[in-house]
Amino acid sequence: GQQLNQSPQSMFIQEGEDVSMNCTSSSIFNTWLWYKQDPGEGPVLLIALYKAGELTSNGRLTAQFGITRKDSFLNISASIPSDVGIYFCAGFPYSGTYKYIFGTGTRLKVLA
Amino acid sequence: EAGVTQFPSHSVIEKGQTVTLRCDPISGHDNLYWYRRVMGKEIKFLLHFVKESKQDESGMPNNRFLAERTGGTYSTLKVQPAELEDSGVYFCASSHRLTRSTDTQYFGPGTRLTVL
Repeated sequence: GQQLNQSPQSMFIQEGEDVSMNCTSSSIFNTWLWYKQDPGEGPVLLIALYKAGELTSNGRLTAQFGITRKDSFLNISASIPSDVGIYFCAGFPYSGTYKYIFGTGTRLKVLA
Repeated sequence: EAGVTQFPSHSVIEKGQTVTLRCDPISGHDNLYWYRRVMGKEIKFLLHFVKESKQDESGMPNNRFLAERTGGTYSTLKVQPAELEDSGVYFCASSHRLTRSTDTQYFGPGTRLTVL
């Protein structure tokens, strides 16, 4: 089945540092989304991307839909302790249904 | 506006027992989805309802899982009999869906199921 490869799996960073994570796929995706999950909560949508090449920001977060439609990245600038959590990429496959395909997640830990 | 709610938040059962998970979607959302995350792995799609009809149940692992959405409002997911490999976090999501590309799914907090 379709898979999204997300990296890194986990990362420790110092408060104030910038963070970058990405997702890649062997097949084309129609929509890319980035979610964050806090402990005990469900995933919360951070950014949605609908067009190849699209670059979208949400506060300190910036995400891009790769021009090949097979990848996306998420950047977090000037990280703060509340950025801790698991970040998931998700997407709608180009030829697929309405179900999301999720990446395996990036666990972010911020050291104050 | 209330978000997606799920009950219970945690369930610990023994192998062979039955468990029923409940999801209440956001009011007015016709689309309801069930997903599952097994420890350390990706969140995987289980099935999709449009109102009371099953639109896509391609992700259901086997016939021990039964999902219903009577009346097109809340949904239940029953596991009977539960096996060890069913342990994980079960998420429900709902969406209004104007078009496929803008079908933002809003997730509930999940039910953590532990099968001993």
